[in-house]
Amino acid sequence: GQQVMQIPQYQHVQEGEDFTTYCNSSTTLSNIQWYKQRPGGHPVFLIQLVKSGEVKKQKRLTFQFGEAKKNSSLHITATQTTDVGTYFCAGPDGSQGNLIFGKGTKLSVKP
Amino acid sequence: EADIYQTPRYLVIGTGKKITLECSQTMGHDKMYWYQQDPGMELHLIHYSYGVNSTEKGDLSSESTVSRIRTEHFPLTLESARPSHTSQYLCASSAQTGSNQPQHFGDGTRLSIL
Repeated sequence: GQQVMQIPQYQHVQEGEDFTTYCNSSTTLSNIQWYKQRPGGHPVFLIQLVKSGEVKKQKRLTFQFGEAKKNSSLHITATQTTDVGTYFCAGPDGSQGNLIFGKGTKLSVKP
Repeated sequence: EADIYQTPRYLVIGTGKKITLECSQTMGHDKMYWYQQDPGMELHLIHYSYGVNSTEKGDLSSESTVSRIRTEHFPLTLESARPSHTSQYLCASSAQTGSNQPQHFGDGTRLSIL
């Protein structure tokens, strides 16, 4: 079945370092969404990418959607302790209108 | 912040008890979901609903059941809780119009079965 794979599973960085998480799909996606879940919290929607090659920025966060619409990345510049959490990508399941979530990348930031 | 509410926030209860986890949203969203998530792990879809009187099973088999009698309310029930049901249960909703609208999550219920 359709899968959304995300790497790395964990990332430990020093505050101020950059961070990137990658998401790959076994099939072409009509769109991809990114969510952030703080420790002890719930997933919060960050952004949705729809167009091939699309790049969107939210302050220090840069989101990219691959040209083939099968992969995506989230890059955080100069991480801060407030960036700590698990970042999930999610793609449509193609049939029921649901999302398939990646396993997430857990980011920890050392002050 | 999205207006979706889950109660209780935490529940510790003995084996064999009947449990209902409540979820309500005030956004008028047609589509609602239940996910199961162990701490720090991936999200597993266990139930979803397209609207009133619609309930569907998700990707992960679950012994729980759901109902959707009102648009805003999507409770999840475990008839006889077991330790294997210990997990966090997250409720979410989204507008059904258009394809794959963003999902808004509640704070979750952390369930522990003794």
